[in-house]
Amino acid sequence: GEDVEQSLFLSVREGDSSVINCTYTDSSSTYLYWYKQEPGAGLQLLTYIFSNMDMKQDQRLTVLLNKKDKHLSLRIADTQTGDSAIYFCAERDSSASKIIFGSGTRLSIRP
Amino acid sequence: GAVVSQHPSRVICKSGTSVKIECRSLDFQATTMFWYRQFPKQSLMLMATSNEGSKATYEQGVEKDKFLINHASLTLSTLTVTSAHPEDSSFYICSAGQRGFFPSTDTQYFGPGTRLTVL
Repeated sequence: GEDVEQSLFLSVREGDSSVINCTYTDSSSTYLYWYKQEPGAGLQLLTYIFSNMDMKQDQRLTVLLNKKDKHLSLRIADTQTGDSAIYFCAERDSSASKIIFGSGTRLSIRP
Repeated sequence: GAVVSQHPSRVICKSGTSVKIECRSLDFQATTMFWYRQFPKQSLMLMATSNEGSKATYEQGVEKDKFLINHASLTLSTLTVTSAHPEDSSFYICSAGQRGFFPSTDTQYFGPGTRLTVL
C-alpha cells in the first residue's frame, strides 16, 4: 500500500535554512502536500505541488520534487521561532480522495 | 484559505457516555469530509470518509458502530463516539474537501481539532 516516510526530528539554528525530507512509495501520486501543525492545533496547508512539477517556491518556502526517486523536500529559508511546529508530508493519487500522511517532522529552533 | 471549524475544541466525559463532535465548513460547500484521529506525537490516521447524503466509508479497523458519522449537509458533518472508553481519548481532526476549490486541485482544509478525554 501507499507509504509516506519522514524523519521525526530536525533542529536548526534561528536564521538558518531548514530542509525537511520525505519519501513516498505511490508512483501514481499526483498531488503532494506540506502541512504545518502547531501545538494543540489542526493542520494548516502550507503548500502543494503537482507531480509534473520539479520545484515550487512561495516566499520562504521551496518545495523540491524528485519524481524518479519519489523524494519530496521542504526548505524553509531564514528559519524563525514561529516556524517551530510539526511538518507533515502527504500525498494523494488522482483516483482517490484520501490523503496519506507521513509521520511528521518536529522542527525545533535553537537560538 | 477556506475555514473549517470544529466544536467542541475540548471535551471531557465519563466512560460509557457518548460524545458528538461537529465539523463545519464555514465559507464553502464540502462535498467530502474526512475524520482523522491523532495519537500523541503520531501522524493522522484516517478513520472515515463521508460524502454528503451517503453513508461514510470507514477505514479498515475502525468500528463503524462505535464511531458514527453523519454528513447531513454540505457544510456539516458529525462524529459521535458511542460508549466512550479511556482508550478512545485522542485528538480528533476533521477536514473538508471541495472538488476544484483550487484550480485543478482537490484540497482538504483541516479543522482545529477536538481533544477528547474519557475518564
